[in-house]
Amino acid sequence: GAVVSQHPSWVICKSGTSVKIECRSLDFQATTMFWYRQFPKQSLMLMATSNEGSKATYEQGVEKDKFLINHASLTLSTLTVTSAHPEDSSFYICSARDALAGGTGELFFGEGSRLTVL
Amino acid sequence: DAKTTQPPSMDCAEGRAANLPCNHSTISGNEYVYWYRQIHSQGPQYIIHGLKNNETNEMASLIITEDRKSSTLILPHATLRDTAVYYCIVRVLNSGNTPLVFGKGTRLSVIA
Repeated sequence: GAVVSQHPSWVICKSGTSVKIECRSLDFQATTMFWYRQFPKQSLMLMATSNEGSKATYEQGVEKDKFLINHASLTLSTLTVTSAHPEDSSFYICSARDALAGGTGELFFGEGSRLTVL
Repeated sequence: DAKTTQPPSMDCAEGRAANLPCNHSTISGNEYVYWYRQIHSQGPQYIIHGLKNNETNEMASLIITEDRKSSTLILPHATLRDTAVYYCIVRVLNSGNTPLVFGKGTRLSVIA
């Protein structure tokens, strides 16, 4: 099946620094990718929709200047957490769908990236 | 908001069938029922989906009631590796630009 890869799988950073997380579709093109955040023992919360070649769409309450999203190609979207604080520590997950596939509309998910801000 | 209701947790003995229920009483005619699961510290994994007919694949079976207001995911022979949070989601087919909205899911614990 289609594969979505995230990097890094885990990262520890100091408060005030910025961290970039990459999401790649390895064997398909994705015009749209989604970014989720998950706190311990909670469900996935949608943060934003990443659109190739255009600005991302952010969910209510998600600061676009803090969580910078870039979707410069059909196989790569990046999420940059700027000026990270301990409360940004979370599990970040991306998902994507094959833009050229018909059928199921199945969304594929990355392995997730665990961010810990000290 | 999630449009489904699931029990928060369930236990199942290893080797037995795990039956996970989901209520989706407000489902629309063009919405499918999708099931995903999330093993601890991993991204969600697609399991199965269906519209109104029962479906089966190598992972599970999906039983949808005739009125489509509820469904049951069946893992025929649960193993310890099936311990995960299972999410039932309703969604329009091929809505590629529409994200999945996750509810709280059911935490399935498979016990040896």
